[in-house]
Amino acid sequence: AQSVTQPDIHITVSEGASLELRCNYSYGATPYLFWYVQSPGQGLQLLLKYFSGDTLVQGIKGFEAEFKRSQSSFNLRKPSVHWSDAAEYFCAVGPLEDGGFKTIFGAGTRLFVKA
Amino acid sequence: DAGVTQSPTHLIKTRGQQVTLRCSPKSGHDTVSWYQQALGQGPQFIFQYYEEEERQRGNFPDRFSGHQFPNYSSELNVNALLLGDSALYLCASSLGRFSGANVLTFGAGSRLTVL
Repeated sequence: AQSVTQPDIHITVSEGASLELRCNYSYGATPYLFWYVQSPGQGLQLLLKYFSGDTLVQGIKGFEAEFKRSQSSFNLRKPSVHWSDAAEYFCAVGPLEDGGFKTIFGAGTRLFVKA
Repeated sequence: DAGVTQSPTHLIKTRGQQVTLRCSPKSGHDTVSWYQQALGQGPQFIFQYYEEEERQRGNFPDRFSGHQFPNYSSELNVNALLLGDSALYLCASSLGRFSGANVLTFGAGSRLTVL
């Protein structure tokens, strides 16, 4: 079955430090891959997406992600974290092998930023 | 440009009651998906509506039903509420027949508490 795994439930980084959030997927073909961010009490906002082409994609707020087919990974990175980046981050995959239309989400990684 | 709007933002029900949640998609979008997000978890796909029909359903019981209106707005109905239905219900809109690759635009959600 298709799945998205985010191995880290929560991560704490110091402000100004670099960040990498991990995401692994299980999917037969090259999927469409997304990273969304959710601030407390808010819906999800798209950070970036990968459909095809260059495997390093740039997103909003200084985030980037790299698609690695050999590792079935799509890790999110940021060179210097700001306190306002504290939020929950979700990796997502769509569409699925059954020809369906849904996007499926990982369990999320909560990012804490310390001063 | 209005994004996705959901109502109500918060509501409290008791077990066995019924609830209706509403969603207006982003202007120009024609597809609405509903997700359930339990505390500390990622969003779980409930179903998706396109052209006023449910075109895909997730692993949710028949107590969960929906509707899409000609103006693309949508309702989620949950009957015979259980304590486990307490969650944030997210509506997401997108555009196009093939929504797998389309970016989801989320509302802020409706927080349902079942007592």
